[in-house]
Amino acid sequence: KQEVTQIPAALSVPEGENLVLNCSFTDSAIYNLQWFRQDPGKGLTSLLLIQSSQREQTSGRLNASLDKSSGRSTLYIAASQPGDSATYLCAVPLTQGGSEKLVFGKGTKLTVNP
Amino acid sequence: ETGVTQSPTHLIKTRGQQVTLRCSSQSGHNTVSWYQQALGQGPQFIFQYYREEENGRGNFPPRFSGLQFPNYSSELNVNALELDDSALYLCASSHANLEQYFGPGTRLTVT
Repeated sequence: KQEVTQIPAALSVPEGENLVLNCSFTDSAIYNLQWFRQDPGKGLTSLLLIQSSQREQTSGRLNASLDKSSGRSTLYIAASQPGDSATYLCAVPLTQGGSEKLVFGKGTKLTVNP
Repeated sequence: ETGVTQSPTHLIKTRGQQVTLRCSSQSGHNTVSWYQQALGQGPQFIFQYYREEENGRGNFPPRFSGLQFPNYSSELNVNALELDDSALYLCASSHANLEQYFGPGTRLTVT
């Protein structure tokens, strides 16, 4: 059974700090991992999708890494801004029968203080 | 290319009632997945529809049911609503089992 854990559950930082969000998964037989952003009461916005053949993926101030062997991924946010305040979720795909579902962590709630 | 849309945005129902939530998939996508997200939790997989057939189901009771139409849009129906059904319901569309794209969600409150 695939389980995804995110640490910390909440994080509060001053504007301008670099920060790291952590995601761990129990079954390393994944072929990708995805990071999402969720604003309060809203849907999910995909930030980065890392294929298992990749070790890193970058988009602007965001950098995500994936280490399948250790069952870990990190999301690095550089020079944080108040607009980065949101909940960040990681998810891995799990294939059961003919369907593929995403298994999510509970998220890390980030607050960036001006 | 239009993204995934969901309706309604939010609604309030009474315990015991029935509700239907709707999702329009992104153009070119033939698969729709539904997720339930309780407050403070990650989304939980309800079921998936592929070419109008249920293709997989999570740990949800039979009072959660769905449909997919020939244009690949989808409905989620919940009968005999319970207080614990209060949540954000998300749908995601994809082409087969490729990357899933999420809609804005429907906030359901059961009183």
